[in-house]
Order: sequence, then structure tokens, then C-alpha cells
Amino acid sequence: DIQMTQSPSSLSASVGDRVTISCRASQDIDRYLNWYQQKLGKAPTLLIYAASTLRSGVPSRFSGSGSGTDFTLTISSLQPEDFATYYCQQSYRTLAFTFGGGTKVDIK
Amino acid sequence: QVHLAESGGGVVQPGRSLRLSCAASGFSFRNYAMNWVRQAPGKGLEWVTFISFDGSNKYYADSVTDRFSISRDNSKNTLYLQMDNVRPEDMAVYYCVRESSGREAYFDFWGQGTLVTVSS
Repeated sequence: DIQMTQSPSSLSASVGDRVTISCRASQDIDRYLNWYQQKLGKAPTLLIYAASTLRSGVPSRFSGSGSGTDFTLTISSLQPEDFATYYCQQSYRTLAFTFGGGTKVDIK
Repeated sequence: QVHLAESGGGVVQPGRSLRLSCAASGFSFRNYAMNWVRQAPGKGLEWVTFISFDGSNKYYADSVTDRFSISRDNSKNTLYLQMDNVRPEDMAVYYCVRESSGREAYFDFWGQGTLVTVSS
């Protein structure tokens, strides 16, 4: 199976900060990488798919980049509603989707 | 709008069975592949199983192979997860998830989840 490793596992940031979350795949997955946001007690929601395509309705302060094995989710200016846990997911091997371990973003 | 509503969660003893259901509405259910994803308390997301739009293809995580079975009834717009020989490590919130069409697979809609508690 393809392993997905996120870093950091948690971070503290302030409103207005630029936040970067990394996701590394254990093998080349081209651009088959998705990002999800999960707020406390809620189901996850899709933010970005195919490494950099923003889902309709998602604020433009969110962006994704990368290909191959290394990917990044960036929040350009953190807003109060962005405090949540973020997960990457590979969809290269659709017989066995795998998620990263998650990155919790909380208030500094 | 797309709506996925899971049901069937509850307390189950180790070694027993439980069946989860997911009622879909707001889209053409028969045209979409579906998945179950679970989340143990305080833990991350784990993909569990996939079923193709017509039910002809099914895939499972190693952790549930030979114990869980996914199925669907397109005439009832309903997805199922049959959980047999349940283990303590199966305790989690189970989400019903729609998979996007096309090669760039992603999970575009999630249900609110149903909690499965494994306890004797």
C-alpha cells in the first residue's frame, strides 16, 4: 500500500498567518492527491483535488501544489474558521485509498 | 442537494454482526461509486471499502477483508455495510462517502457519520 505522511502533526498559528502543511507519499503518485478539512465533531469536507484544483466554493486563500511524492497545502492568511484538522489522501491506487495522519491547526 | 444519511450504528459485542445503511438523495445514486470511511475516536481517517456504481467491483482495506461486505441497492438509493465478527478495533464513526466520477477520484460528499461502539 501507498503510505502518506503528513507534517507537522499539529501546529499553532494566529489569524492572518501563512500556514503550510506537507504531505509525502511513499511512492510516485503523479498528481493524484486530495486535501480535506475536518472541523471538530463534523464530517470531513473536500478542499482540493488533483493536487491543486480548488473545489468550487472553497476560499482562494487555500492552495495546493506538488507532484510525484511531495505535496503542500497552503493557507495564505489563516482565518478563524480555518482552525481544523487537515488530511491528505492519495487516489493513485484507487483499490486502496490512503489518508495521511492529519495536521491539526489550532490557535496560538 | 446531495445528502447522505447513515444509520444502523450502535453498541455491538465483539464477534457479533451489525449492518450499516446509507440513504442517498439529491443525485443519481446509480451513476456513482461509493465508499465507507471510518474514524476511530480521536484518530485519523481510514478508508474501509469501495463499491463501483453498478456493484460489480468491490475493494476492501486489509483490516476488514473477509469480515465486512459492501453492497448497494440502486433501486432504493441505499448503500450498505455488513460488519461481521466485529472487533474492538472496529469501533469508530463510519462515514458514507460519494466518490467523484472520472479518473481523478476524490470524495466529494460525506454523510454525517454513524458511531459503532464495540463493547461486551
